[in-house]
Amino acid sequence: GQSLEQPSEVTAVEGAIVQINCTYQTSGFYGLSWYQQHDGGAPTFLSYNALDGLEETGRFSSFLSRSDSYGYLLLQELQMKDSASYFCAVRDQPRGGYSTLTFGKGTMLLVSP
Amino acid sequence: GAGVSQSPSNKVTEKGKDVELRCDPISGHTALYWYRQSLGQGLEFLIYFQGNSAPDKSGLPSDRFSAERTGGSVSTLTIQRTQQEDSAVYLCASSFAGVSNEQFFGPGTRLTVL
Repeated sequence: GQSLEQPSEVTAVEGAIVQINCTYQTSGFYGLSWYQQHDGGAPTFLSYNALDGLEETGRFSSFLSRSDSYGYLLLQELQMKDSASYFCAVRDQPRGGYSTLTFGKGTMLLVSP
Repeated sequence: GAGVSQSPSNKVTEKGKDVELRCDPISGHTALYWYRQSLGQGLEFLIYFQGNSAPDKSGLPSDRFSAERTGGSVSTLTIQRTQQEDSAVYLCASSFAGVSNEQFFGPGTRLTVL
């Protein structure tokens, strides 16, 4: 089975940098994704790491260490609109080229002025 | 359409009734997924369709839950004899074939069982 741990809530101020950590325990690992969900909205894809290291996409970066079963999402130059829930998700064993995702419980990020 | 659509957006039903939730995936996406999200919780995987292969039903919580996908496109999630613990937002997602790991989510159906 899969289990993921991430903080339930993180607070920060506009312009700051925040890191949301995710640790996982899995029977097999094929990649770590991050999704953003605004209140009442649909989750939207942010990033995917299959290999160790840092992936940067604009203000957002995602890091993975497979040996530590650990990843994080780094948000820079925080804006009020970044207030949302952030979910890490482990990609399960591919079958026929596809795989499902197991999601963590999410981290609510509150950005204040 | 441009994105994944779901209907209805809200459904209120009485305990014991059956409900059907519909999902229209993005055109060309061969994989379709159903998730359930309870208040303040993460997304719980329910079922997954890929092309014409048999669906992965490993996440369905009970035999009251079933889903089908007709013509490799539209999917319907059916919950029979609804219970209050079925109250949640039901989210549908679709994805491309191949190595893409990005799933595109619909807005969800908020189900309330009284």
